[in-house]
Amino acid sequence: SQQGEEDPQALSIQEGENATMNCSYKTSINNLQWYRQNSGRGLVHLILIRSNEREKHSGRLRVTLDTSKKSSSLLITASRAADTASYFCATGVTGGSYIPTFGRGTSLIVHP
Amino acid sequence: DAGVIQSPRHEVTEMGQEVTLRCKPISGHDYLFWYRQTMMRGLELLIYFNNNVPIDDSGMPEDRFSAKMPNASFSTLKIQPSEPRDSAVYFCASSLVVGTGAWDQPQHFGDGTRLSIL
Repeated sequence: SQQGEEDPQALSIQEGENATMNCSYKTSINNLQWYRQNSGRGLVHLILIRSNEREKHSGRLRVTLDTSKKSSSLLITASRAADTASYFCATGVTGGSYIPTFGRGTSLIVHP
Repeated sequence: DAGVIQSPRHEVTEMGQEVTLRCKPISGHDYLFWYRQTMMRGLELLIYFNNNVPIDDSGMPEDRFSAKMPNASFSTLKIQPSEPRDSAVYFCASSLVVGTGAWDQPQHFGDGTRLSIL
């Protein structure tokens, strides 16, 4: 399937440090989206990067996309305790009916 | 605008009972999705609707599961009879129509229903 796979499964850092998590996928994509899920809540859309883009920024978030390696990374700079959450990627594929699916996510813990 | 609203937030019931989960999508959204999330299997897509019509229900685990969308503002996911292995968090999400032939619209999730079957 075209499921995005995130790694690492878990990441534990100190407040102020940067956090990097990765997503790999299997076939050509049109775009890739990152989501965040806080404990006990639904997923929240963070950022979308299209296949013709290599890097995108939103506040403290930086997303890169390498279509040759079929991978993406999400970097959170100067992390805060409030960034503690699970992070998921989902891919969009040209063809209309394909629905992006989610992996198991990366669980990020930021210690104050 | 209100987000996706799910009810109940928590449900505890005994094996064999019928369970009905409810969802109100964001007004104007064309797509509605039902997901199930467990530690073992992650987030699984169960079924999705486009303009109230079920498009793909291949993720529905068994005939015990059924979903309906009688109108643009309401959907239900029913489990009958329920079993302990159905215990999970069930999410509903909605989205605008695909614009360019590929999925490029964010999905908006509700806060889920935590279901426990004893």
